[in-house]
Amino acid sequence: DIQMTQSPSSLSASVGDRVTITCQASQDISNYLNWYQQKPGKAPKLLIYDASNLETGVPSRFSGSGSGTDFTFTISSLQPEDIATYYCQHYDNLPPGITFGPGTKVDIK
Amino acid sequence: QLRLQESGPGLVKPSETLSLTCTVSTDSISSGNYYWGWIRQPPGKGLEWIGSIYHSGSTYYSPSLKSRVIMSVDTSKNQFSLKLNSVTAADTAVYFCARHVRETYSFDCWGRGTLVTVSS
Repeated sequence: DIQMTQSPSSLSASVGDRVTITCQASQDISNYLNWYQQKPGKAPKLLIYDASNLETGVPSRFSGSGSGTDFTFTISSLQPEDIATYYCQHYDNLPPGITFGPGTKVDIK
Repeated sequence: QLRLQESGPGLVKPSETLSLTCTVSTDSISSGNYYWGWIRQPPGKGLEWIGSIYHSGSTYYSPSLKSRVIMSVDTSKNQFSLKLNSVTAADTAVYFCARHVRETYSFDCWGRGTLVTVSS
């Protein structure tokens, strides 16, 4: 089974800061990597699919990059409404399965 | 705007079966582009995928839960369902249903979630 790790597990940043979260796969997963935002008490929201594609309606300050085993999620200018936990998610073909990363909690400093 | 709504008991006794239904509104569950999935989140913890089903009834489940999970679909009611048997306290979680894009395997639309507590 492919294992997904995320770092850091939590971070504090100031409004306007650039924030970067990484997700690492235990083996090559091509670009089969999605990113979600989850605010407290709410369902997750899809932000990025296939590693770098912005979901419709998502602000352009969110972006994703990477392929293979190393992926990056970036908030170019942190806003107060971005306080949330962010999860990466991978899909595996053989056997078919879906794995979420452990999450990164983002707070305002 | 697609809407998904989970329903079912909020309290289940240990060793019994957890049963939830997700009702899909404003779009047909028979759309060929999507699977329909269940994801859960224990209190204060991360997300765990449980399984996904196609409108044809084809399923795939998390290996760690496969022995206890059955998913089904009722296209006439635009619903899909989850049964998890032999539950323990470790199955206490918020259970989400979600639409699952076939091409990207991303969950692009989610229900609000329902808390299920396993306790006697």
